[in-house]
Amino acid sequence: GQQLNQSPQSMFIQEGEDVSMNCTSSSIFNTWLWYKQDPGEGPVLLIALYKAGELTSNGRLTAQFGITRKDSFLNISASIPSDVGIYFCAGLNYGGSQGNLIFGKGTKLSVKP
Amino acid sequence: EADIYQTPRYLVIGTGKKITLECSQTMGHDKMYWYQQDPGMELHLIHYSYGVNSTEKGDLSSESTVSRIRTEHFPLTLESARPSHTSQYLCASSDRGAFGYTFGSGTRLTVV
Repeated sequence: GQQLNQSPQSMFIQEGEDVSMNCTSSSIFNTWLWYKQDPGEGPVLLIALYKAGELTSNGRLTAQFGITRKDSFLNISASIPSDVGIYFCAGLNYGGSQGNLIFGKGTKLSVKP
Repeated sequence: EADIYQTPRYLVIGTGKKITLECSQTMGHDKMYWYQQDPGMELHLIHYSYGVNSTEKGDLSSESTVSRIRTEHFPLTLESARPSHTSQYLCASSDRGAFGYTFGSGTRLTVV
């Protein structure tokens, strides 16, 4: 089946640093999504990408839909303690996986104050 | 403000007990999902539904069962809980034509 390879698995960074994480797949996706999960809560949608090459920002977050439609990245600028959590990428292929999202395994972000 | 509600948030229960985890959404979404998430972070799809009277098993085999009698309600039942069922269970929903899921806050289940 379709799989997403998300990296890195975990990150420890200093407050104020920029963060970058990415997802790759051997399959093409029509939509890429990025979620954040705070400790003890469910994932919350951060950014949605619908066109190859699309670059979208949400405050300090920037995400891009890869030109090949097989990858996406998420950048966080000037990290702060509340950025702590697990970040998931997710892809949607209308024709495959019965229309269900495919999730990456997550990137756990920890910030040192 | 959450439009999808899961109860209870935390549950500690003895082995062999029957339990039902509740999930309700007020958005009128057709699609609903149950995920199991262990401390290793990965989200595993265990059940989904595309509408009333529609239920399907997900990618991860689960001993739980689900029902969808009403659009807004998608409960998950374990007939006989075991320690191996200890996990976080997340419910989600999506609109038929929309992208992205809305997740509930989860139920943290511990079976002792």
